[in-house]
Amino acid sequence: GQQVMQIPQYQHVQEGEDFTTYCNSSTTLSNIQWYKQRPGGHPVFLIQLVKSGEVKKQKRLTFQFGEAKKNSSLHITATQTTDVGTYFCAGPWGFKTIFGAGTRLFVKA
Amino acid sequence: EAQVTQNPRYLITVTGKKLTVTCSQNMNHEYMSWYRQDPGLGLRQIYYSMNVEVTDKGDVPEGYKVSRKEKRNFPLILESPSPNQTSLYFCASRGMTYNEQFFGPGTRLTVL
Repeated sequence: GQQVMQIPQYQHVQEGEDFTTYCNSSTTLSNIQWYKQRPGGHPVFLIQLVKSGEVKKQKRLTFQFGEAKKNSSLHITATQTTDVGTYFCAGPWGFKTIFGAGTRLFVKA
Repeated sequence: EAQVTQNPRYLITVTGKKLTVTCSQNMNHEYMSWYRQDPGLGLRQIYYSMNVEVTDKGDVPEGYKVSRKEKRNFPLILESPSPNQTSLYFCASRGMTYNEQFFGPGTRLTVL
């Protein structure tokens, strides 16, 4: 079946450092979504990417969708303590939704 | 306020005692899902429903049942819970034209 691999599993950064999480699918995706889950909270939708090679920005967050539509990345510039949490990518497989295992971000002030 | 609600938020039960976790959304969404979240495994889809009376298995459906008799409600039923179903459960909903899913607050289930 389809798999969505996400790395790294954990990332510790000093406040102000950059952070990147990568998502790789075993199959071509029609679209990919990114979610953020704060500690103790529920996943919250961040963005959806649809087009090959697409790049979208939300303030300090930059999202990319690969040319082959099999990989994606989320980059945070100059992390802040408010960025802590787990970041998930998710893609469709038929009518199912497959999530990556997530990258947990720790930010040290 | 647009939201997905789940009840109960916390539940401790014993092996074999049937339980139901309710889920309700007020956004008139067609698509609803149940996920379980376990450390290191991310979110795994249990069941999903594309509309009333239309349900299908996700990746980890064993030991679970669902029903969709009304558009707004999508209960998760564990007829004979076992300790390996101890997990954090999320209900989610979305419309059919855009993939943004709205998640409920979660239900932390412990099966002893």
